[in-house]
Amino acid sequence: NAGVMQNPRHLVRRRGQEARLRCSPMKGHSHVYWYRQLPEEGLKFMVYLQKENIIDESGMPKERFSAEFPKEGPSILRIQQVVRGDSAAYFCASSPMAAVSGNTIYFGEGSWLTVV
Amino acid sequence: SQELEQSPQSLIVQEGKNLTINCTSSKTLYGLYWYKQKYGEGLIFLMMLQKGGEEKSHEKITAKLDEKKQQSSLHITASQPSHAGIYLCGVAYQAGTALIFGKGTTLSVSS
Repeated sequence: NAGVMQNPRHLVRRRGQEARLRCSPMKGHSHVYWYRQLPEEGLKFMVYLQKENIIDESGMPKERFSAEFPKEGPSILRIQQVVRGDSAAYFCASSPMAAVSGNTIYFGEGSWLTVV
Repeated sequence: SQELEQSPQSLIVQEGKNLTINCTSSKTLYGLYWYKQKYGEGLIFLMMLQKGGEEKSHEKITAKLDEKKQQSSLHITASQPSHAGIYLCGVAYQAGTALIFGKGTTLSVSS
């Protein structure tokens, strides 16, 4: 059973470009979570999605960031007009049902975005 | 003030020694997860605790959730270099919500 798959693992973008990060959850998992990790700041929650629905986007910056989890295909985190401050590791996690209903939440290996 | 605190921030222990890492919440939590992360890699699931007073063990790692469900401790017995990494606790304050994480504890094990 393949784990949570994230790609690309490493991405370099120039300021002003768009970054698209993909996350394929584990088989049978319909809940996806995106987190951002910056040095010295820890892992920050961004958005929680279920198939075709955004459940909680309270951690998502209001501008330039968007996320989707379509009926078919991976979840996508999209960052438009990237700035240097967007450089970070972005992690995706998935669970079969809502978190903490006795369900384990598994994380992917992360996507490292560098903005130059 | 911070809702979730991990202590210590970093820890260096000699191989073979025991150690404890704490995760303290300012309010009652619904459930708690412990993860380990190596630098530059993803998070590896260790344990999930949900009931007050619950204790779980996996190999040489034991985690306990206090009765009030506001603090968890992670204890490693006879530490080894393979235990080195960043230990993160993630909590949910309500059912069906995403996990909020502490800043982590960086563990180094010297041989």
